[in-house]
Amino acid sequence: EVQLVETGGGLFHPGGSLRLSCAASGFSVSSTYMSWVRQAPGKGLEWVSVLYATDNTYYADSVKGRFTISRDNSKNTLYLQMDSLRAEDTAVYYCARQLHMDVWGHGTAVTVSS
Amino acid sequence: DVQMTQSPSALSASVGDRVTITCRASESISKWLAWYQQKPGKAPKLLIHQASSLESGVPSRFSGSGSGTEFTLTISSLQPDDFGVYYCQQYNNFWTFGQGTKVEIK
Repeated sequence: EVQLVETGGGLFHPGGSLRLSCAASGFSVSSTYMSWVRQAPGKGLEWVSVLYATDNTYYADSVKGRFTISRDNSKNTLYLQMDSLRAEDTAVYYCARQLHMDVWGHGTAVTVSS
Repeated sequence: DVQMTQSPSALSASVGDRVTITCRASESISKWLAWYQQKPGKAPKLLIHQASSLESGVPSRFSGSGSGTEFTLTISSLQPDDFGVYYCQQYNNFWTFGQGTKVEIK
């Protein structure tokens, strides 16, 4: 079964760091586009970052320079390193597969607050 | 950046009604548009990709049309399980979502 499971969320302080993980099963994260999408409380969906099969990475302007996307092929896991956290990074973070995001994880909630 | 604008922002319709949601892109995105349904507390679910291709397992009452800058999602006969928020998304130039359309069953 194709599945994505995110972990790593929680309560963090402004200026702090965390790393989200997205464990995949049923396919290889290295073979396709893998994205992070977030949703602030009561708000819509916002694309955050993508990692191509070719290793190219891209970021939304709101997180550029602060977030880093990566993967570990041996663990079939996608990551999002989040540094210099801000209150506005508070959201549920989803990982998703493919250009047209056909598979999503259940999400992991990140709260940034002092 | 490509901006996506959905209308209406919310609608209330009865079971059996035909429902149409519109999505407009700020520039041409060809056919690179997807539609998602999101229910409270759940991840979005892909309904349509490439503007009109029905995702496997999605009921045939859902259909998509359009190209360039104007797109529509149609639910031919609204069912009780179709409540939720519907988002369009362009993937021609990175990814941008519309603001969402909340569908309520009367």
